Amino acid sequence: DIQMTQSPSSLSASVGDRVTITCRPSQSISNSVNWYQQKPGKAPKLLIYAASSFRSGVPSRFSGSGSGTDFALTISSLQPEDFATYYCQQGYSTPYTFGQGTKLEIK
Amino acid sequence: QVQLVQSGAEVKKPGASVKLSCKASGYTFSTYYIHWVRQAPGQGLEWMGIIYPSGGSTSYAQKFKGRVSITTDTSTSTVHMELSSLRSEDTAVYYCARGDGGNTIDYWGQGTLVTVSS
Repeated sequence: DIQMTQSPSSLSASVGDRVTITCRPSQSISNSVNWYQQKPGKAPKLLIYAASSFRSGVPSRFSGSGSGTDFALTISSLQPEDFATYYCQQGYSTPYTFGQGTKLEIK
Repeated sequence: QVQLVQSGAEVKKPGASVKLSCKASGYTFSTYYIHWVRQAPGQGLEWMGIIYPSGGSTSYAQKFKGRVSITTDTSTSTVHMELSSLRSEDTAVYYCARGDGGNTIDYWGQGTLVTVSS
């Protein structure tokens, strides 16, 4: 199975900050990474697919980058509604494993 | 609009089985994969398995092989996930979700809480 190592596990930031969350798979997986946002008590929502493609309706402050074994999700200017937990997921091979999550909290 | 509506919460005793349902609407059911993902209280997301409704081919995470079965009823656009030999560690919210192109989950159900307790 491909392990997805996500960091940091938690992050405190302020509105307007730029933040980056990284995800490193245990083997090279081309561009097969998706990013999801989850708020308490809700199902996750897709933000970015295939490493850097935007899902329709997702604000442009969210961006994804990377390939192979190094991926990142960047939020360019944090808004109050962005405080949530973020997960990466590999779509290269089953089982389609998730990272352990990054909880983004208000400083 | 795409909707995945899941069955209601369940309480089961250790050793029992649970069968959850996920009814899809708003798209051509047979041509999109359905994933099952679970989330234990306060924990992260765990991928369990996947089914392609057209033909019914499945793939399961090794951790659940032998205990999980995902099936589909194309006549009602419904997917079922059965998990057997339940233990307390199976207490979680179980999500069904649509796979666009197989490996990208673009729509999620609302989740079903399964509680395993004696």
